[in-house]
Amino acid sequence: EPEVTQTPSHQVTQMGQEVILRCVPISNHLYFYWYRQILGQKVEFLVSFYNNEISEKSEIFDDQFSVERPDGSNFTLKIRSTKLEDSAMYFCASNGQGVRETQYFGPGTRLLVL
Amino acid sequence: AQSVTQPDIHITVSEGASLELRCNYSYGATPYLFWYVQSPGQGLQLLLKYFSGDTLVQGIKGFEAEFKRSQSSFNLRKPSVHWSDAAEYFCAVGSYSGNTPLVFGKGTRLSVIA
Repeated sequence: EPEVTQTPSHQVTQMGQEVILRCVPISNHLYFYWYRQILGQKVEFLVSFYNNEISEKSEIFDDQFSVERPDGSNFTLKIRSTKLEDSAMYFCASNGQGVRETQYFGPGTRLLVL
Repeated sequence: AQSVTQPDIHITVSEGASLELRCNYSYGATPYLFWYVQSPGQGLQLLLKYFSGDTLVQGIKGFEAEFKRSQSSFNLRKPSVHWSDAAEYFCAVGSYSGNTPLVFGKGTRLSVIA
């Protein structure tokens, strides 16, 4: 069964450093998402991406964040200058084109900013 | 504004007992409702979803959920809980048209005792 994959599974970084989180969505999917979950809190939407551009973003997704689909398979989230409060689990999700499509989630990347 | 409320933060049940996890939603359009499960350190696995038709939907692992429009609820049930069901359960709502961000509840943590 196809699945969304994410790398790395864990990342530890120093405050102010740049991090890139990587995702490989399900191959025939066209809509991609990033969500985050701060420890003990609910899953929150960050950004959605379709047709090589951002289709929607939340208030959390400020200028420190960017997304890119550098090739036909990867979907990345970059945090330019990490802050302590960026520590969270980051989930990538994807779904196909059409109504009532289900979003499938990857296993997540746990980011710890020190 | 769209929102999901899961009133129970933590529930403990005995193995073999029945389970009901509550979910109430607020959504301006026709909702597309989901239950996801997250085991410790793992990603989000889809248990079941509802968008139309029969208001009682069956999912994986013996779970079912009932949509009640009049109560804006989508409660998750299981007749007999197994120790392996211990996890965090998230209710989420999305647009009927799909391809939009999901709004998650804060989750209910399920503990199972012998």
